[in-house]
Amino acid sequence: SQQGEEDPQALSIQEGENATMNCSYKTSINNLQWYRQNSGRGLVHLILIRSNEREKHSGRLRVTLDTSKKSSSLLITASRAADTASYFCATVSSGNTPLVFGKGTRLSVIA
Amino acid sequence: EAQVTQNPRYLITVTGKKLTVTCSQNMNHEYMSWYRQDPGLGLRQIYYSMNVEVTDKGDVPEGYKVSRKEKRNFPLILESPSPNQTSLYFCASSQLGTERWKQYFGPGTRLTVT
Repeated sequence: SQQGEEDPQALSIQEGENATMNCSYKTSINNLQWYRQNSGRGLVHLILIRSNEREKHSGRLRVTLDTSKKSSSLLITASRAADTASYFCATVSSGNTPLVFGKGTRLSVIA
Repeated sequence: EAQVTQNPRYLITVTGKKLTVTCSQNMNHEYMSWYRQDPGLGLRQIYYSMNVEVTDKGDVPEGYKVSRKEKRNFPLILESPSPNQTSLYFCASSQLGTERWKQYFGPGTRLTVT
């Protein structure tokens, strides 16, 4: 089954810096979502971007989608220590197909 | 409070001893799903359900069973657990309306099979 692939696998930055994570996928999608997971806990939905959208914002989060390149990026601006978590992209291929998750990017924000 | 609950949160068991992990949501969601998370493999879907009495296999269904007799509950059953089913399990739910596929996750169940 199709799977998003995040890049980099791990990222370490200083508090206040911006963090950028990328997701690539293989086939056409209905929408793409980003989730956050704090260590050992359930995933929390961050943002959903539809295939006909190119950019979306939510607070300090900015997501872009380039369907021609089959890729998405998640930008977290002015990062905080509390942003330390794993971030996953998930794709939906058509109306009734379940989400397929990537393996995640582990972000560490150092105070 | 809108939530997905799972029980138990931690479970250590022995090979072959049947177990059930319960999942319940209070958001009237049609869609429910089970995932397992293993280091280096990300989240992999085990089973999902689009509505009551409708279940489908995900990517890794072998060794698992599910049922959906009520809309709010979606238990995961391991009839004969084996050590390779040691993992962190998540239940999730979502509606099938305008926010289809925005999933709400439970807190996870850490299962160890010895």
